Amino acid sequence: SSELTQDPAVSVALGQTVRITCQGDSLRSYYASWYQQKPGQAPVLVIYGKNNRPSGIPDRFSGSSSGNTASLTITGAQAEDEADYYCNSRDSSGNHVYVFGTGTKVTVL
Amino acid sequence: EVQLVESGGGLVQPGGSLRLSCAASGFTFSSYWMSWVRQAPGKGLEWVANIKQDGSEKYYVDSVKGRFTISRDNAKNSLYLQMNSLRAEDTAVYYCARERRSVVAHDYWGQGTLVTVSS
Repeated sequence: SSELTQDPAVSVALGQTVRITCQGDSLRSYYASWYQQKPGQAPVLVIYGKNNRPSGIPDRFSGSSSGNTASLTITGAQAEDEADYYCNSRDSSGNHVYVFGTGTKVTVL
Repeated sequence: EVQLVESGGGLVQPGGSLRLSCAASGFTFSSYWMSWVRQAPGKGLEWVANIKQDGSEKYYVDSVKGRFTISRDNAKNSLYLQMNSLRAEDTAVYYCARERRSVVAHDYWGQGTLVTVSS
């Protein structure tokens, strides 16, 4: 099975911009989706497809992709954005199996 | 409103079995692939298994193949995960999630149910 690699932790000053990356071979073939998870809560989808936000997700969240790397950008980070973020895509060995990234803890200073 | 509600978690001894359920509402359950995703304490998310709309295709992560079985009952709007030969490393919160396959995403999640494998 393939892997999706993320930086373990990043920090961002309040109101500034932070980009979280996700690397993996399968990203050359498939979209990545992104999830926000706060302590004790279920994950919430924040970005999917080329760069789509579900209803209710602020437009400060955006996604992009190039080659084997997908990125989630938070422009103007807010205190409530402090959370763990995971990418998710298909496994490169077949299009029915999924894999999650290793996760990135975002701290808003 | 889409809702997914898991149940069936608990404490089980190594080698034991447990059956998780996920009750779906607010959408046409029979039209979607569904997944189980788990999260060990303090760890990241791990995709476990998924099942096609009519139950004819099922896929699993290697670590649970031969031990876990995913199934569904579209008449009851329910998803299941039968877990046998449980190991300590299966200890986790188990979430059910709806798939949006065309965009490679899981767009709705339940609140999770905790499975603890310990003697």
